Amino acid sequence: EAQVTQNPRYLITVTGKKLTVTCSQNMNHEYMSWYRQDPGLGLRQIYYSMNVEVTDKGDVPEGYKVSRKEKRNFPLILESPSPNQTSLYFCASSLGGTGLYEQYFGPGTRLTVT
Amino acid sequence: AQKVTQAQTEISVVEKEDVTLDCVYETRDTTYYLFWYKQPPSGELVFLIRRNSFDEQNEISGRYSWNFQKSTSSFNFTITASQVVDSAVYFCASSSGYSTLTFGKGTMLLVSP
Repeated sequence: EAQVTQNPRYLITVTGKKLTVTCSQNMNHEYMSWYRQDPGLGLRQIYYSMNVEVTDKGDVPEGYKVSRKEKRNFPLILESPSPNQTSLYFCASSLGGTGLYEQYFGPGTRLTVT
Repeated sequence: AQKVTQAQTEISVVEKEDVTLDCVYETRDTTYYLFWYKQPPSGELVFLIRRNSFDEQNEISGRYSWNFQKSTSSFNFTITASQVVDSAVYFCASSSGYSTLTFGKGTMLLVSP
């Protein structure tokens, strides 16, 4: 089954404790991206990747890191999480660029930073 | 930079009513792409439609229809004869091409029996 998976689905952590949210797709998609969803703000893009070893900032990259060492994986790293990073996070992938193809979204990761 | 405005935060209708969700976009690009996504209460994001800036033809898919008007920079979404299962948050989004996707803040649609 074609899908985007994220782990963990739920995470409660404390300020400053490094964490990684994994994202994996099995569709051989070139493009991957991370979004955060906050009430009243919709979805905002954090980082995206056009292909392996090619990543760039989205609209709200501060406090996040990403890497793309393999085509299928695109982990999101919070090296020192803060309460304002409490949010619902979505990973997405698509065959190519954002305008040309629909994005396939993962199920979301709900992160709480206390 | 792209900007997407969904002025309607929440809409409540009774089943079988028609409802239109508004989307206004801003862009300086001549080539751009518009999308609608649905987020039901279960939380996943579901792709509904993609439209490029050169195709102003309206589209109908069952009870769903989309009205793209470049003159007013709008890409509105109409649900005919709404059903309870249509209750969801609906997002309009735009992209100038390859790298970024900008979402509106979403419209929550509540359809009551």
